[in-house]
Amino acid sequence: GAGVSQSPSNKVTEKGKDVELRCDPISGHTALYWYRQSLGQGLEFLIYFQGNSAPDKSGLPSDRFSAERTGGSVSTLTIQRTQQEDSAVYLCASSRPSGNTGELFFGEGSRLTVL
Amino acid sequence: QKEVEQNSGPLSVPEGAIASLNCTYSDRGSQSFFWYRQYSGKSPELIMSIYSNGDKEDGRFTAQLNKASQYVSLLIRDSQPSDSATYLCAVIPYAGNNRKLIWGLGTSLAVNP
Repeated sequence: GAGVSQSPSNKVTEKGKDVELRCDPISGHTALYWYRQSLGQGLEFLIYFQGNSAPDKSGLPSDRFSAERTGGSVSTLTIQRTQQEDSAVYLCASSRPSGNTGELFFGEGSRLTVL
Repeated sequence: QKEVEQNSGPLSVPEGAIASLNCTYSDRGSQSFFWYRQYSGKSPELIMSIYSNGDKEDGRFTAQLNKASQYVSLLIRDSQPSDSATYLCAVIPYAGNNRKLIWGLGTSLAVNP
């Protein structure tokens, strides 16, 4: 497809289970971001991948959160031992490889509900 | 700590009026500035980017940048009810190769028919 694709769009899980969220960025986009947004709140930065550079993981809230990006394309955000406070919409965004851009294209998000 | 600040609002304007949204940033070396619109329940979408001092116009939208005063604003002319959304300001601070965006919390705009 032409846009950023995220799956699943909705995920309901029980406390303590692990979840994986997937992001397929726009082809050719080298920068990829994961954000989290709780209801009525701002964007919370989680992790940033830029080309072959080491990812900026400074936003991950705990060691239960991890993300990887394989082959410079698809990314997976994994949350282990989910807690109720992890409930939020997880947004993925990508941007073109040109030198100085914050022009992000967002996916539709994955809504996570932890019971 | 690099920061981007916005008035949370809600900013309420009548249909047809000019809506003025403001954003200030802390990193004086910032070079790139962006306005995103987010409708309720949807993802943010880019509406304007600005890199140089002055005004940049795109249809009913004008972005204004003043680096000396460290603010960037968005003007929406002839506001429509469909403009009702949260407007997010984002900045790339000068930090070498790290192009990570810093986001404001957004200003909620309500355009009343």
